[in-house]
Amino acid sequence: GDSVTQMEGPVTLSEEAFLTINCTYTATGYPSLFWYVQYPGEGLQLLLKATKADDKGSNKGFEATYRKETTSFHLEKGSVQVSDSAVYFCALSDFYEGGSEKLVFGKGTKLTVNP
Amino acid sequence: DGGITQSPKYLFRKEGQNVTLSCEQNLNHDAMYWYRQDPGQGLRLIYYSQIVNDFQKGDIAEGYSVSREKKESFPLTVTSAQKNPTAFYLCASSDRVQETQYFGPGTRLLVL
Repeated sequence: GDSVTQMEGPVTLSEEAFLTINCTYTATGYPSLFWYVQYPGEGLQLLLKATKADDKGSNKGFEATYRKETTSFHLEKGSVQVSDSAVYFCALSDFYEGGSEKLVFGKGTKLTVNP
Repeated sequence: DGGITQSPKYLFRKEGQNVTLSCEQNLNHDAMYWYRQDPGQGLRLIYYSQIVNDFQKGDIAEGYSVSREKKESFPLTVTSAQKNPTAFYLCASSDRVQETQYFGPGTRLLVL
């Protein structure tokens, strides 16, 4: 079945450093791709999404480009802040038989940004 | 404000007890979902519902039950058959056209 693999953490950076979190996927069709963020003790929030190849999702300084040729959706930010400390999940949309949608998540990457 | 609410924030279960987690949304979404999150793991789908009075098992449904009597509500019962219930439970909903799932703040279930 479809799957998502993202780089294992934890990742620790200094403030204003460049961030990359790698995400690759396996899918039989053409899924939409997502990055969700989870702050401590909270639910997940959608960070950005891309629905087709070569689309770039962006939000709050984060970017990710849907690369069909490399089956990747890497998350990047040019200058991280302490407030970006969280767990980041890569996900893709898939469908059960009968057409019902589901999300397939990676295991998450914990990011800590130090001042 | 539109959103998803989950209650309680923390829930304690005794051995052999059934407990019910609440999930309510006022986003007018047709689809609702329950996920389980364990430390260092991604989210795993327990049950989902695409429409009122209909629901399907996800990847780890054993030991859980749900109902969908109203569009706004999708309660999850953790039964005594679930032998390892300690986890963080997340409810989500989506508009099928937009595809994006929106999550509640979660309920942490602990076993006494």
